[in-house]
Amino acid sequence: GDSVTQMEGPVTLSEEAFLTINCTYTATGYPSLFWYVQYPGEGLQLLLKATKADDKGSNKGFEATYRKETTSFHLEKGSVQVSDSAVYFCAHTPQGGSEKLVFGKGTKLTVNP
Amino acid sequence: GAVVSQHPSRVICKSGTSVKIECRSLDFQATTMFWYRQFPKKSLMLMATSNEGSKATYEQGVEKDKFLINHASLTLSTLTVTSAHPEDSSFYICSAPLGGNQPQHFGDGTRLSIL
Repeated sequence: GDSVTQMEGPVTLSEEAFLTINCTYTATGYPSLFWYVQYPGEGLQLLLKATKADDKGSNKGFEATYRKETTSFHLEKGSVQVSDSAVYFCAHTPQGGSEKLVFGKGTKLTVNP
Repeated sequence: GAVVSQHPSRVICKSGTSVKIECRSLDFQATTMFWYRQFPKKSLMLMATSNEGSKATYEQGVEKDKFLINHASLTLSTLTVTSAHPEDSSFYICSAPLGGNQPQHFGDGTRLSIL
């Protein structure tokens, strides 16, 4: 069935370090892919998305590229900040964004000054 | 600003109490809303799909009589946890799609603690 696998956390980095959080998925059809971020004590916020193969989603310095050949959507940021500390969730929907989301388990990121 | 409003943000109550959580779409209509549950240090688990004007669709293993969902209007869905017990303590989050292949937007969640 449909699933999302993302790298186990927690991840601890120093400020200005490079970040990669791996995400792979299994799905039928042509899913849309998302990264959501959850700051402490808050709900989920959409970070970025990609709706078709080779699309690159980007926001706030974060990027992820939809790789159909490897069924991956890895999240990257060149220089993290303390304010990026949060839990990051990779997710997909079968098609478009109007159907239920399938989430990965989340990766907790802590950035130290 | 927020496009989905969820209320209350936190509830603490005694075992046996029923608790209602509201999810509102702001400035848009949502014929479908989703209810998720998040366990500590775990991912979000879809509980049910709320459908305006018809019965909710529950995921396998979710008790329909325990988690009552009502989607009475195009901007409001409610989740009622009936006769709540400590094992129902969790973080509940709703979401609603904007439509037209737009991504879902989430409420800020409700932290439910049953004593």
